[in-house]
Amino acid sequence: DAMVIQNPRYQVTQFGKPVTLSCSQTLNHNVMYWYQQKSSQAPKLLFHYYDKDFNNEADTPDNFQSRRPNTSFCFLDIRSPGLGDAAMYLCATSRDWDPSEKLFFGSGTQLSVL
Amino acid sequence: KNEVEQSPQNLTAQEGEFITINCSYSVGISALHWLQQHPGGGIVSLFMLSSGKKKHGRLIATINIQEKHSSLHITASHPRDSAVYICAVNRLRGATNKLIFGTGTLLAVQP
Repeated sequence: DAMVIQNPRYQVTQFGKPVTLSCSQTLNHNVMYWYQQKSSQAPKLLFHYYDKDFNNEADTPDNFQSRRPNTSFCFLDIRSPGLGDAAMYLCATSRDWDPSEKLFFGSGTQLSVL
Repeated sequence: KNEVEQSPQNLTAQEGEFITINCSYSVGISALHWLQQHPGGGIVSLFMLSSGKKKHGRLIATINIQEKHSSLHITASHPRDSAVYICAVNRLRGATNKLIFGTGTLLAVQP
């Protein structure tokens, strides 16, 4: 059974129209991550939560926001999507913040911006 | 220069062949991950290594900490192994689980 679930699998939005991607986990992990992966590039960390503590990467645009209302769910909000935001968005979790903890990835949401 | 380098970038093999993908890194690490990503798909974690060797089915991963090098081997390759294989590392210093990714190796196994 999937342990990190991302919905939807594919999302199409219009230029400038806010969009929300969701991620849920059944692992009860403390840490949840959002990665952006553009075509043929390595994933890029946008931000992560340790429990309710939000940690933004320095180069993550302000256009990207996140919410974690409880342990199980985490949302990625793109306030005004641009064409350059079309990408695969990957959610991941780990039990704790220690580098020895294994990461568990969701299957991703492929975002298209028209 | 990337902190994590993979070779080759692209690899085509015939079904049944033994495959090796290499990863070199230039930073001190606490762990190294091998990940698999099918076209248009999410990422699956294959191995996490901090020393030695791990085996799972037809997959074998090794790491040499002194040489800062890891290899992923696939025995008796199959077309369903076709995917991008990504090496990623956790930095040794700092209480962080932020991964540094290699650019991936695109593997195509032909029947």
